[in-house]
Amino acid sequence: AQSVAQPEDQVNVAEGNPLTVKCTYSVSGNPYLFWYVQYPNRGLQFLLKYITGDNLVKGSYGFEAEFNKSQTSFHLKKPSALVSDSALYFCAVWYNFNKFYFGSGTKLNVKP
Amino acid sequence: EAQVTQNPRYLITVTGKKLTVTCSQNMNHEYMSWYRQDPGLGLRQIYYSMNVEVTDKGDVPEGYKVSRKEKRNFPLILESPSPNQTSLYFCASSFVPGDTQYFGPGTRLTVL
Repeated sequence: AQSVAQPEDQVNVAEGNPLTVKCTYSVSGNPYLFWYVQYPNRGLQFLLKYITGDNLVKGSYGFEAEFNKSQTSFHLKKPSALVSDSALYFCAVWYNFNKFYFGSGTKLNVKP
Repeated sequence: EAQVTQNPRYLITVTGKKLTVTCSQNMNHEYMSWYRQDPGLGLRQIYYSMNVEVTDKGDVPEGYKVSRKEKRNFPLILESPSPNQTSLYFCASSFVPGDTQYFGPGTRLTVL
């Protein structure tokens, strides 16, 4: 079955430290990959996407993600975390030209 | 302002009472989709529409109906709601299929 996995329910990091939120996918072909962020009581907001080209994608608010085809991963990264980055992060895959699959979400806690 | 709107934002209803959640976008987007968000499960796609009069099932379509008579509107219909449909619902749209999605603010539905 096609799926997206976010293995960590929660990630804790101190402000100023680098952060990584993990995502792996198991769909065939060449899917499009996305990261979205959800703040409390809000809808999802787009961060970045990978379709083709350079494996390192830069997005909004200083976030970036690295596509690794051999490991079928698309981890979200930021060199220096801010308290305001605390939110729920979702990895998503566009597959088969019609459907989106989302991961279960990872709660990022950035502590001062 | 470019946006996706949903109404109502909050709804408490009883089992079996038909309801409709409206979704409208003002960006002339072709692709629209409905998702439900449940703790630990992330977002799951209910239905999607590639364009006017073209709709198809997502991963969890049971108990839901949709229609796409106009490009801007994509209502979600629950003909006979049941308690297991208690959830947070999001409508989203994108310019074309596979593109970045813009999400509405969400509708929190409780079925008693």
